[in-house]
Amino acid sequence: SQTIHQWPATLVQPVGSPLSLECTVEGTSNPNLYWYRQAAGRGLQLLFYSVGIGQISSEVPQNLSASRPQDRQFILSSKKLLLSDSGFYLCAWTPPGGFSPLHFGNGTRLTVT
Amino acid sequence: EDQVTQSPEALRLQEGESSSLNCSYTVSGLRGLFWYRQDPGKGPEFLFTLYSAGEEKEKERLKATLTKKESFLHITAPKPEDSATYLCAVQIGPASYGKLTFGQGTILTVHP
Repeated sequence: SQTIHQWPATLVQPVGSPLSLECTVEGTSNPNLYWYRQAAGRGLQLLFYSVGIGQISSEVPQNLSASRPQDRQFILSSKKLLLSDSGFYLCAWTPPGGFSPLHFGNGTRLTVT
Repeated sequence: EDQVTQSPEALRLQEGESSSLNCSYTVSGLRGLFWYRQDPGKGPEFLFTLYSAGEEKEKERLKATLTKKESFLHITAPKPEDSATYLCAVQIGPASYGKLTFGQGTILTVHP
């Protein structure tokens, strides 16, 4: 069966510091991978998605970037965090192609101080 | 602009008191509507996908229905363990990727 791992679970970082959140998927090949952010009082917002290694699409202009160095690895990064980057970051996957529900990891709670 | 609106924002029920959550949407070219359950501090857990008006899906005490403008999540005889935030989302983009537009969610609390 497929599983998705995200880490760390919680993170407190000062403004201006770098960020790296990692997500890996097991039990499937060539998944579509996604980063969503859930801010307090707001719905989930799609940040990035990837349909293959090195292929990244950005949905929202922002202070963040994403990379996919391996088939089942997705990384969310920032060079300098802003207070507004605080939120709950969720990685998700779907099988390649077709129409399928998103399957989410357990998220990373990021607090920028 | 595509919109998904959930109501009510919060719902408190007594154990055994059935009710419904609403998800209304204004989108063009709906490919599917999804319901998720989210527990505090966790990622959303997939419940149902509905593709066309008139479709219904059931799972234990939950039943999801879809019309051309809204979806309902009916909860029959809820238990305290049904307490969670329920999210609906719609997919309108190409079928090759999961660009979902989410509602704000309904926080359900079931008291024993």
